[in-house]
Amino acid sequence: QKEVEQNSGPLSVPEGAIASLNCTYSDRGSQSFFWYRQYSGKSPELIMSIYSNGDKEDGRFTAQLNKASQYVSLLIRDSQPSDSATYLCAVIRYSGGYQKVTFGIGTKLQVIP
Amino acid sequence: KAGVTQTPRYLIKTRGQQVTLSCSPISGHRSVSWYQQTPGQGLQFLFEYFSETQRNKGNFPGRFSGRQFSNSRSEMNVSTLELGDSALYLCASSSITGDLNTEAFFGQGTRLTVV
Repeated sequence: QKEVEQNSGPLSVPEGAIASLNCTYSDRGSQSFFWYRQYSGKSPELIMSIYSNGDKEDGRFTAQLNKASQYVSLLIRDSQPSDSATYLCAVIRYSGGYQKVTFGIGTKLQVIP
Repeated sequence: KAGVTQTPRYLIKTRGQQVTLSCSPISGHRSVSWYQQTPGQGLQFLFEYFSETQRNKGNFPGRFSGRQFSNSRSEMNVSTLELGDSALYLCASSSITGDLNTEAFFGQGTRLTVV
């Protein structure tokens, strides 16, 4: 079992629809969760961080965290073609002043005009 | 505020050579992490430096090494290059709150091709 699992996709959604990106993790001690967007040929760009159970909204983006189910998701409302990218889930565990950062393989999102 | 700067952007090396990559973090950020990104493996953590000390290390062979200078700039070195080392190498910087890193911000990366 991979430490952080994401469906590599591609996930295709029509313009204006809601895109739902999912990520599961295996380490119950994980404490911080991030979503990065990476356009082809570019570096990852931080779009959301979430630390506690529940939803966190920022514009068209909503991150959802359920630590009991070890599940974190990213919803993109009113999807635009410019949202087409690979979305990386990152999970951090802290222990004794050290951190372990693990990234998922990323989900490729295609927004169809 | 300037972002994370990585140099060079592109490199072509032959097998057996060594290479040094450079990363200048965001001003005020003292933690620098290095990652290797390949299509098949995704983003894999190499190591993290904080206050000139390696604080965390991933599962890479000893051919991969790094260091951090007093101004927080970091270098990564790969010796005896292999074809499989061809990848995008990304550097990320973050600040520290207590002992914990805040969100990481990535540089543009160095695309290394080994021929």
